[in-house]
Amino acid sequence: DGGITQSPKYLFRKEGQNVTLSCEQNLNHDAMYWYRQDPGQGLRLIYYSQIVNDFQKGDIAEGYSVSREKKESFPLTVTSAQKNPTAFYLCASTPGRGGSSYEQYFGPGTRLTVT
Amino acid sequence: GDSVTQMEGPVTLSEEAFLTINCTYTATGYPSLFWYVQYPGEGLQLLLKATKADDKGSNKGFEATYRKETTSFHLEKGSVQVSDSAVYFCALTLSGYSTLTFGKGTMLLVSP
Repeated sequence: DGGITQSPKYLFRKEGQNVTLSCEQNLNHDAMYWYRQDPGQGLRLIYYSQIVNDFQKGDIAEGYSVSREKKESFPLTVTSAQKNPTAFYLCASTPGRGGSSYEQYFGPGTRLTVT
Repeated sequence: GDSVTQMEGPVTLSEEAFLTINCTYTATGYPSLFWYVQYPGEGLQLLLKATKADDKGSNKGFEATYRKETTSFHLEKGSVQVSDSAVYFCALTLSGYSTLTFGKGTMLLVSP
């Protein structure tokens, strides 16, 4: 079955540690996205990538970093510079580089708790 | 900038009641509109979409019509079920762009 996998589902870290969230897709999609979800805030875009070895900042990129070395993988690192890292993180992808009719396909999410 | 506004929740209904979740948008261009659904602890799933004015998207008994004159895309269902309990997100994307702008989500709670 094709889809997007995110691992782990739950992640716990101590404050001051960097942590990397995994996102893998076998849909052969070009574009991938990272969102952060907080209660009552909807989804906010962190980073996105339309092709391998290229990515752009979203609305809330500070304290995060990404890489896109392979088409199927788009890992997100939450650095110690991120002031409020505890959240639900969602990865998504689209078939092409976007466009008006392209919906995004979402992974199951990773819930990160930093104490 | 572009934005999506949804009615605040939670919306609480009894099974078989009629559902409306309001969504309005502001956009600099001519957007495509989407409704996504999120069940507890899961990612988002596309529920329906519309790409031009007067288009009606429909899926699983849910419907929404793209109204350009009122910049709205309200979600409706004639008879809700307990299994429809979830958070519903309205979203838009502009032609030539790949990013989505989401509303804050509306929680729906359906009781038996």
